[in-house]
Amino acid sequence: EDKVVQSPLSLVVHEGDTVTLNCSYEVTNFRSLLWYKQEKKAPTFLFMLTSSGIEKKSGRLSSILDKKELFSILNITATQTGDSAVYLCAVDNYGQNFVFGPGTRLSVLP
Amino acid sequence: DGGITQSPKYLFRKEGQNVTLSCEQNLNHDAMYWYRQDPGQGLRLIYYSQIVNDFQKGDIAEGYSVSREKKESFPLTVTSAQKNPTAFYLCASSILPGTGASGANVLTFGAGSRLTVL
Repeated sequence: EDKVVQSPLSLVVHEGDTVTLNCSYEVTNFRSLLWYKQEKKAPTFLFMLTSSGIEKKSGRLSSILDKKELFSILNITATQTGDSAVYLCAVDNYGQNFVFGPGTRLSVLP
Repeated sequence: DGGITQSPKYLFRKEGQNVTLSCEQNLNHDAMYWYRQDPGQGLRLIYYSQIVNDFQKGDIAEGYSVSREKKESFPLTVTSAQKNPTAFYLCASSILPGTGASGANVLTFGAGSRLTVL
């Protein structure tokens, strides 16, 4: 059965810290890996990764994929309280939908 | 602005009652999905549809029903047969899987509906 695992499940840091969120997957077929940020309601899209070793960057957030070791990381530098959210990782397995991990709940304290 | 609208945002239901959650999108997406989210768990797929008048069961379809009479609309009914319906429900849409650049596609989500059964 296809599976996506995220770690840690929750994390508390102070503003200015750098965090690394992990996502590993076991799927029969892999097309892409996506990261979403979920605050109180709708998950919002952050990154889509399809190729190994190519870093995607948006401001203080960056992500990279390793298709050989079957994982991705999401880095957030100089964290702010507005980064507090649940970060979801999902894999498109060539099926009709996506396989989601449980999410990492990040809390950034002032 | 294009997007997905879910309603209601909050809903309370007595045991034994059916309830319907609305999902409307104006993104011209062919595919629509319903997910359920419980605390500490990932999103689990209830139903999805890729074309009008056709839909498929996801991993946890028991106790739910859907319809897709229009491309823009994909309502979800939580029936009294659903044993543990209290949850956060998310609707999403996308282009058809495999039709995007490099075949990859991205889900766009609505704001969600929180259902509580009393």
